[in-house]
Amino acid sequence: GNSVTQMEGPVTLSEEAFLTINCTYTATGYPSLFWYVQYPGEGLQLLLKATKADDKGSNKGFEATYRKETTSFHLEKGSVQVSDSAVYFCALTESDSWGKLQFGAGTQVVVTP
Amino acid sequence: DAGVTQSPTHLIKTRGQQVTLRCSPKSGHDTVSWYQQALGQGPQFIFQYYEEEERQRGNFPDRFSGHQFPNYSSELNVNALLLGDSALYLCASSTYRDSGTEAFFGQGTRLTVV
Repeated sequence: GNSVTQMEGPVTLSEEAFLTINCTYTATGYPSLFWYVQYPGEGLQLLLKATKADDKGSNKGFEATYRKETTSFHLEKGSVQVSDSAVYFCALTESDSWGKLQFGAGTQVVVTP
Repeated sequence: DAGVTQSPTHLIKTRGQQVTLRCSPKSGHDTVSWYQQALGQGPQFIFQYYEEEERQRGNFPDRFSGHQFPNYSSELNVNALLLGDSALYLCASSTYRDSGTEAFFGQGTRLTVV
């Protein structure tokens, strides 16, 4: 079956540091890939997505590239802010089961001033 | 646009009881999906409703059931509650025929079973 594996947290870093959160997946078909963010006490918000191989999703300074050869979708940001402190979830959905999102366990990111 | 709204925000129930959670989708969306998020874990897909029918289901027992109304709103029912059902229940809405559209999530209902 499908699965998503992401690096364990918490990831603690200083403001303006570079952030990378690794995400790898297994899927039977050609999934679409997503990063969602969950701020404390809130629901999930879509951060970015990529629907086919080599696509790059980007939003709010975050980027992730769909790498089919390595089945990866790593999230990066060049200079984090305290406001980026949140839990980040990598997720996928297959084209034949659109809307059924499979999530990773989440990575908590803590940015200190 | 109010986005996806869920009620109630918090709920405490006793083992063996039944609970109903409610969700109103974002305006223009016709599909509702429900997820269970245990503490410290990623959300797990429960099921999806479109045109008042269950279209997809995750690996959850029959104690979990749902309903969708003609106005696209939805309910999640859980019978014979177990302590392990304590979790944040998230509702997401989207557009069924427009694959590739973003799923919008509500803020969730925090269910505690004691």
